[in-house]
Amino acid sequence: SQQGEEDPQALSIQEGENATMNCSYKTSINNLQWYRQNSGRGLVHLILIRSNEREKHSGRLRVTLDTSKKSSSLLITASRAADTASYFCATDEGTGANSKLTFGKGITLSVRP
Amino acid sequence: DTAVSQTPKYLVTQMGNDKSIKCEQNLGHDTMYWYKQDSKKFLKIMFSYNNKELIINETVPNRFSPKSPDKAHLNLHINSLELGDSAVYFCASSQVVKAGGQFFGPGTRLTVL
Repeated sequence: SQQGEEDPQALSIQEGENATMNCSYKTSINNLQWYRQNSGRGLVHLILIRSNEREKHSGRLRVTLDTSKKSSSLLITASRAADTASYFCATDEGTGANSKLTFGKGITLSVRP
Repeated sequence: DTAVSQTPKYLVTQMGNDKSIKCEQNLGHDTMYWYKQDSKKFLKIMFSYNNKELIINETVPNRFSPKSPDKAHLNLHINSLELGDSAVYFCASSQVVKAGGQFFGPGTRLTVL
């Protein structure tokens, strides 16, 4: 069954603007991860935030997690045309070898040059 | 250096045939996964193996049989292919102790005619 629901489903912005993507989920989680998928390629892991963390940064990426609202957001600052891709949130309810990612439907981000 | 590789990249076959997809990772990870991504980009886990032991078998028809000859390889054999099996299949790997996200292969696009 599907766990993460991303919002919006599609986002189009101008280069240099910030892009904010949201993800909601339904059950308790161990961690939440964001992935990027360029057209015709495999997924690339961007960032992982654990259930006891509230915010995490990696370069131009900022992720927040609100476990009380069961939601997360991914902010990409100063977007570039190369950021054009699909972005997926994935929740991990297991630990160790029982880790199991459940993906949302994805958000299509288009960054116009 | 390719971290997670899959062969073949494209597979076109007739209904009823049997086919295999191979996956290899050179990251020294102890866990490998198979995912199916449908035409709407929805990504769902099928199997996971940890140190060659089956951990997750996510209600996949038994026409699908994974095999892990060693920690670096996880192959997927599909018997009696059906039209609904058409999808992109991704292999991934991770090191569960590190809990740092999964590394995905480039995908195998399977088309069943």
